[in-house]
Amino acid sequence: SQQGEEDPQALSIQEGENATMNCSYKTSINNLQWYRQNSGRGLVHLILIRSNEREKHSGRLRVTLDTSKKSSSLLITASRAADTASYFCATLSNFGNEKLTFGTGTRLTIIP
Amino acid sequence: GAGVSQSPRYKVAKRGQDVALRCDPISGHVSLFWYQQALGQGPEFLTYFQNEAQLDKSGLPSDRFFAERPEGSVSTLKIQRTQQEDSAVYLCASSLVSGRTRFMNTEAFFGQGTRLTVV
Repeated sequence: SQQGEEDPQALSIQEGENATMNCSYKTSINNLQWYRQNSGRGLVHLILIRSNEREKHSGRLRVTLDTSKKSSSLLITASRAADTASYFCATLSNFGNEKLTFGTGTRLTIIP
Repeated sequence: GAGVSQSPRYKVAKRGQDVALRCDPISGHVSLFWYQQALGQGPEFLTYFQNEAQLDKSGLPSDRFFAERPEGSVSTLKIQRTQQEDSAVYLCASSLVSGRTRFMNTEAFFGQGTRLTVV
């Protein structure tokens, strides 16, 4: 089963605006990762944040993690048409297994 | 090659037919994962290999699903007697080392997937 929910399920914004997506999860985690998936293609790793980190930046991406609320957010600043894709959070648990557990995803559409 | 390669990209199978899906991970990657992704959903874990050892197969939905990685490199996911509910995209991913080693920032690299349609 999926780890948790992503919110919103779909988001449409104008090019140049910022996009924020949220992810909630259920169990204790080792790290949380964000992936992007373009239509009909594989997933591309964007950023990883460890359970002892609260915020991380990579280019136009900013990720926050609140382990007390079991939630994370992904902010994409100055959005571009090429950012149109589905975004998934994935967690690596603390319970000894190696699998990533994915959320349900947010479909982001950037309007030129 | 530079990335994870999966073949075929598309497969149409008649119900009851057996299928085999191939994954070529990035050379030298220790860990290999198979995921199933239904339309509009996130990927769901199927199974995990560390080299040739299948360490976790808890996500395989039934005994019709079987995966192997005999030499610790190429992996094959086999589905016997396919059913319509098996229709999905099957994703393979590899990573350099186990996520629990000291290389805590190891990311997983995904292939393009095989879209299986059972008719």
